Parts: sequence; C-alpha cells; structure tokens
Amino acid sequence: GIQVEQSPPDLILQEGANSTLRCNFSDSVNNLQWFHQNPWGQLINLFYIPSGTKQNGRLSATTVATERYSLLYISSSQTTDSGVYFCAVSPHSGANSKLTFGKGITLSVRP
Amino acid sequence: EAEVAQSPRYKITEKSQAVAFWCDPISGHATLYWYRQILGQGPELLVQFQDESVVDDSQLPKDRFSAERLKGVDSTLKIQPAELGDSAMYLCASSPGLQETQYFGPGTRLLVL
Repeated sequence: GIQVEQSPPDLILQEGANSTLRCNFSDSVNNLQWFHQNPWGQLINLFYIPSGTKQNGRLSATTVATERYSLLYISSSQTTDSGVYFCAVSPHSGANSKLTFGKGITLSVRP
Repeated sequence: EAEVAQSPRYKITEKSQAVAFWCDPISGHATLYWYRQILGQGPELLVQFQDESVVDDSQLPKDRFSAERLKGVDSTLKIQPAELGDSAMYLCASSPGLQETQYFGPGTRLLVL
C-alpha cells in the first residue's frame, strides 16, 4: 500500500516562530489532507490539498504532486498550535477512498 | 457548521463484554468511515460505507467486530466480545462522496479492563 512519511517527528518552537512540516508519499494521490489533532483527540481538518497551494490565516500548505510531497507552513506560532499534525493520503488506484495516515508530527509551542 | 456526531464519548468496559458505538454523519454525506487510532499512532481504516453498502472492510476483525449503516445515514460499530487490545480511539468520518474531504467526529475513547 501507499507509504506516508512525516518529518520531523517532533518540533519545539518558541511562540512567534515559523515552522515547516513535511509529508512525503510513495504514490500518486487523489486526496491529501492535513489535520491537527487537539488534546481531546479530535481531528480538525486543516486543508484538503491533493495539489497546489492554499492559505488559511497563519497556515498555508503546498502539495507538489509530481514530486510526491506536501508542506504545511505555520507562521507566527501560538501555544494553541500545539498538538499532533497528521498528513493523510488516498491513492489514485483502488476502489475505496480510505485515508492512509502518517505517524504524525508532535508540535510544542512554548510561551 | 454541520458536524459528525458520535456517542458515547468515553466507554469503559470489561473484557468479554459487548460494546457499541454510534455515528451520525454530516447530512447528505454518502460516504462514511470508521477508523481506529491506537495511542501514539495515526488512525487506520476499519470499514468504509458508500450509502448503505460496504466498500472496504478488509481491516475489520470480523470475528468480533461488526458494522452497519442500514438506511444509509447513521451507523453503528459493535465489538463482541471486547479484548484488552481493543482499547483505542474509534473515529467516525464522513464525506460527500469518494475522494472528497473527510470530516471527523470527536471520537469514542474505549478502555477495556
């Protein structure tokens, strides 16, 4: 099946700093989503971005489908950005559309 | 904004007991997913429905797990009997159709003693 690798596994930032989270995937995809999992366990959808660039406030994401990677940018980080960030993909092949998740990136933003 | 609803939010049970989880997807969403997330890992798909039909249940342990979506709207996931290794977060998600944005509910955290 498709492989998803996220890096770095852990990230510690000072409040106000910028960061880049990376997601590499092993096959072409129809769906790529970035999620933030809050301390209560809920997965908050950040971006649906199988290709191209999107921005939402301090967050932006870019997926280069031909090179099989996606980047999530966090600018002016806040303590509320802390948590686990997941990249998840669904490949072109196959009849279903299940998401395969990476192992996540644990972000800690310190005041 | 419409949300995926799940209940209960927390469940503690003893091994060999039966448990059931309920999910109500966003209205109009044809595709419904059940994922399981073990602590420290990403979610993994258990079963996917398109309307009332199962699209993929290849990772569902069918000897003890069952899932249904009888009228193509809400869904129930059941475990009987529960085992210690079933302790995890059970997440329901829905999307308007295949390969579209998936929206997740708050999850049910299960602890089997």
